[in-house]
Amino acid sequence: DAGITQSPRHKVTETGTPVTLRCHQTENHRYMYWYRQDPGHGLRLIHYSYGVKDTDKGEVSDGYSVSRSKTEDFLLTLESATSSQTSVYFCAIMDQISYEQYFGPGTRLTVT
Amino acid sequence: AQSVTQLDSQVPVFEEAPVELRCNYSSSVSVYLFWYVQYPNQGLQLLLKYLSGSTLVESINGFEAEFNKSQTSFHLRKPSVHISDTAEYFCAVSESNYQLIWGAGTKLIIKP
Repeated sequence: DAGITQSPRHKVTETGTPVTLRCHQTENHRYMYWYRQDPGHGLRLIHYSYGVKDTDKGEVSDGYSVSRSKTEDFLLTLESATSSQTSVYFCAIMDQISYEQYFGPGTRLTVT
Repeated sequence: AQSVTQLDSQVPVFEEAPVELRCNYSSSVSVYLFWYVQYPNQGLQLLLKYLSGSTLVESINGFEAEFNKSQTSFHLRKPSVHISDTAEYFCAVSESNYQLIWGAGTKLIIKP
């Protein structure tokens, strides 16, 4: 258990509204990730961070932005939610020695 | 790694029968290899990994995987499955750049 929490765990929102998902870790890991999981696609990387204020895009970053103002928090924002962003979102951290990633419990987001 | 392929989206198998879940990757450099498991309605957790050394790695619940460099494969096997092994299994590869490339996942379906 890498002490990763995500909030909210479930959210239903309407198309066009902004949404922010929060990932919080308690162990000072440098690398943090946001993924989305959809049937048949496995995990797809949205954005990742390699330090405070240091972030980079993943393979499916369009429509998403992130911020990391503190080591422990990594925020994912959907500026204007669309139905195609209905998904389960996972946050993860990486142990830099073992290269293992540890995952949060996930956020189920439904955009109506 | 350029890509990770899990050829089987679903693998049905009878309880107590052996199973193999296939994973192939494409990469021209040294890689680290992982299998993660996701039980129904849960997050992902590490099952086993290969970083270096012996090409055969084992998990605590009877799974094993063998790294085959010439065939660029990391297949997951278990000699006798149990109903509790019902889950989705994901293969992932890292080229040491702190990112994982994920396969699409294989659902293991255990038939009584």
